[in-house]
Amino acid sequence: DTGVSQDPRHKITKRGQNVTFRCDPISEHNRLYWYRQTLGQGPEFLTYFQNEAQLEKSRLLSDRFSAERPKGSFSTLEIQRTEQGDSAMYLCASSLFLSVLATSTDTQYFGPGTRLTVL
Amino acid sequence: GNSVTQMEGPVTLSEEAFLTINCTYTATGYPSLFWYVQYPGEGLQLLLKATKADDKGSNKGFEATYRKETTSFHLEKGSVQVSDSAVYFCAVGANSKLTFGKGITLSVRP
Repeated sequence: DTGVSQDPRHKITKRGQNVTFRCDPISEHNRLYWYRQTLGQGPEFLTYFQNEAQLEKSRLLSDRFSAERPKGSFSTLEIQRTEQGDSAMYLCASSLFLSVLATSTDTQYFGPGTRLTVL
Repeated sequence: GNSVTQMEGPVTLSEEAFLTINCTYTATGYPSLFWYVQYPGEGLQLLLKATKADDKGSNKGFEATYRKETTSFHLEKGSVQVSDSAVYFCAVGANSKLTFGKGITLSVRP
């Protein structure tokens, strides 16, 4: 059973450069989420997709951040003009959403994360 | 918005000790509640969950009960092992998003 995978696992970049991360969800999952985790904190929600559609973006997601899921499978998260404050672990998760009638939040399964360091 | 408050850490216990990690939440509607665990060098793993009031989630000897009246979801284990050393996160799920607490580091010594 293949879980959520993320690439790269580590990225070091200089301030002002653009970076792109990739996430491959569990194959049958239709929802994909991005979170950001800084040292000593829990993950914070950034955005999520259902199939190709981006359904919600957090106000944490500035204009320098963009996410796509073009074919409803893998997703990319791009950060333009990186700043030192962008240094964090970027986590991807996926879930199987079955019905708008569901009364509980579907379980999200997380990947190993991409650790970004901006110098 | 939703929020989760976890007790301050870190926590250090001897093997076979009893564990309680407190978690309280604020949320509107009917949230689901989760505990995730992060072992050293690994990603977040779901430990257990509960989807409605009075539900008890359990896994690997850990238990937590969804208490709506006290808005709590405390994690317990009767006898911890060295292999339980990890960071534990409580989370509330609502409107398709998870809101996490800060996490607490548990160290179990032999």
